[in-house]
Amino acid sequence: AQKITQTQPGMFVQEKEAVTLDCTYDTSDQSYGLFWYKQPSSGEMIFLIYQGSYDEQNATEGRYSLNFQKARKSANLVISASQLGDSAMYFCAMTGADSWGKFQFGAGTQVVVTP
Amino acid sequence: DSGVTQTPKHLITATGQRVTLRCSPRSGDLSVYWYQQSLDQGLQFLIQYYNGEERAKGNILERFSAQQFPDLHSELNLSSLELGDSALYFCASTEGGVPATGELFFGEGSRLTVL
Repeated sequence: AQKITQTQPGMFVQEKEAVTLDCTYDTSDQSYGLFWYKQPSSGEMIFLIYQGSYDEQNATEGRYSLNFQKARKSANLVISASQLGDSAMYFCAMTGADSWGKFQFGAGTQVVVTP
Repeated sequence: DSGVTQTPKHLITATGQRVTLRCSPRSGDLSVYWYQQSLDQGLQFLIQYYNGEERAKGNILERFSAQQFPDLHSELNLSSLELGDSALYFCASTEGGVPATGELFFGEGSRLTVL
């Protein structure tokens, strides 16, 4: 069974600062994928970044980077230079190679960016 | 805009009733996934269809059923509704049964309120 844990229910961050959102996971699969999605107050789920379990380099997408530490089973999201529009709920998710798309989501972290 | 269309966006109904949620995947996508997001359960995978066939099943109640039609749109049927079924129901799609990068394209969701 797979499990995703996000221990930070909410956090405040000042505009232009960087923020790290924690995510740890547990799986017995050798091949798996880790994802981060953003859910603004409007409700839609927006894909941010993906890290494959065999990827040696940490994934980056613009201001988003994923700090992947396989041995520690962590996949933290780093948002650099926070903007007011980054205020949203952020979900970490994972899926195994045999059931791609059958995501296991974490509980989410609410981020509020302040001026 | 993800290209995934869900209708209706909002639905209010009474306990014991039956509703149908509809999803049109992105053009060319063969897989459709249904997720339920509620306050107490978080985001839960319900079911996946690939090219008309059920591919994977998650925490879907027996009162719920889904299908994918030849034109690839999908419907999620919820019957004998209970107060606890109030949630945001997401449809997501991807091209294959196993998406290349793992990204799911989510619709904006159908918010169901059961009174």
